[in-house]
Amino acid sequence: EDQVTQSPEALRLQEGESSSLNCSYTVSGLRGLFWYRQDPGKGPEFLFTLYSAGEEKEKERLKATLTKKESFLHITAPKPEDSATYLCAVGLRGYQKVTFGIGTKLQVIP
Amino acid sequence: GAGVSQSPRYKVAKRGQDVALRCDPISGHVSLFWYQQALGQGPEFLTYFQNEAQLDKSGLPSDRFFAERPEGSVSTLKIQRTQQEDSAVYLCASSSDDRGDEKLFFGSGTQLSVL
Repeated sequence: EDQVTQSPEALRLQEGESSSLNCSYTVSGLRGLFWYRQDPGKGPEFLFTLYSAGEEKEKERLKATLTKKESFLHITAPKPEDSATYLCAVGLRGYQKVTFGIGTKLQVIP
Repeated sequence: GAGVSQSPRYKVAKRGQDVALRCDPISGHVSLFWYQQALGQGPEFLTYFQNEAQLDKSGLPSDRFFAERPEGSVSTLKIQRTQQEDSAVYLCASSSDDRGDEKLFFGSGTQLSVL
């Protein structure tokens, strides 16, 4: 059965304290792995798409990496405005839908 | 506006009532998705449209759920005889891509509460 597991479920960081969020997946035929950010009361907002093992993408303080079994979202020197829930999702070959994990709720304290 | 618009923003229904949720996708976007998000969970796929064709409805939880997109733009998700377990946020997303490789643009959702 296809699965997407995110850890930790919640993470509390001091401002400037770098860390990583994990997304492990067990799927047949990965088309792409997606990271989204979701603020309370809002829909998810796209961050990155990764297609193959070894690929990396960066945006401001965020960097996403991909291996054959997992993806990491690295947050360097986070700021309070980075507080949000970060969702990982996978797309499978032959399907347009993406399957989301439960998310990691990140809180960055000033 | 340039984003995905959903209405109503909040809906309270009595158990057994029918509801209709509307989604206005970004103009010209081919693909449209409906997702259901329970509190503290990630979004769960309900159904997918490519233009006016409903190509995947594998996530609809029961035959009480029905979606349409008759002219390939606005979509409506209808839930008949609502139950308490239907309480959730219903998210609509659209994409310019028909292969599933492009990013999804989400609306802010409709929060449905069934009493």
